[in-house]
Amino acid sequence: EPEVTQTPSHQVTQMGQEVILRCVPISNHLYFYWYRQILGQKVEFLVSFYNNEISEKSEIFDDQFSVERPDGSNFTLKIRSTKLEDSAMYFCASVDRANYGYTFGSGTRLTVV
Amino acid sequence: AQSVTQLGSHVSVSEGALVLLRCNYSSSVPPYLFWYVQYPNQGLQLLLKYTSAATLVKGINGFEAEFKKSETSFHLTKPSAHMSDAAEYFCAVSANFGNEKLTFGTGTRLTIIP
Repeated sequence: EPEVTQTPSHQVTQMGQEVILRCVPISNHLYFYWYRQILGQKVEFLVSFYNNEISEKSEIFDDQFSVERPDGSNFTLKIRSTKLEDSAMYFCASVDRANYGYTFGSGTRLTVV
Repeated sequence: AQSVTQLGSHVSVSEGALVLLRCNYSSSVPPYLFWYVQYPNQGLQLLLKYTSAATLVKGINGFEAEFKKSETSFHLTKPSAHMSDAAEYFCAVSANFGNEKLTFGTGTRLTIIP
């Protein structure tokens, strides 16, 4: 079964550093999402991406965040200057509208120290 | 706007007993509804989804859920709990499919008592 692949699985970074979280969506999917889950809390929507542009973003997705699909396969989330409160599990998802299937990756656990 | 409310942040059931996890939704349009399971330190796995076809939806691992519009509910059930069902369960809603984000509930941690 096709999978959404996320790398790295775990990243530790110092506060103020830039991080890039990477995702390889399922190849024929057209809609892509990033969500995050702070430890012990619910999963929150960050941003959706379609046709090489952001289609919707949440209040969380401020100027320190950016997304891009640089090469038609990877889908990245960049956090420019990390803060302690950015520590969370970040999930990528891609969507197959034909089969109503959201597929999530296994996540990247980001720890900011 | 869409939202879901999961009643009970923690539910404990005995092995072999009925599992009932509650989810109520709020939506201004006909909703798409989902249940996801998350095992410790893992990602989100889809259990089942309601997409306006049959109101009784069967999913993986013996779980099912019934969409009740009159009660705005989408409760998750399993007739007989197994130790491997211990996990966090999230209900989610979307106003559309594909080009619309999922809004998740706060989750219910299911514990199975041997």
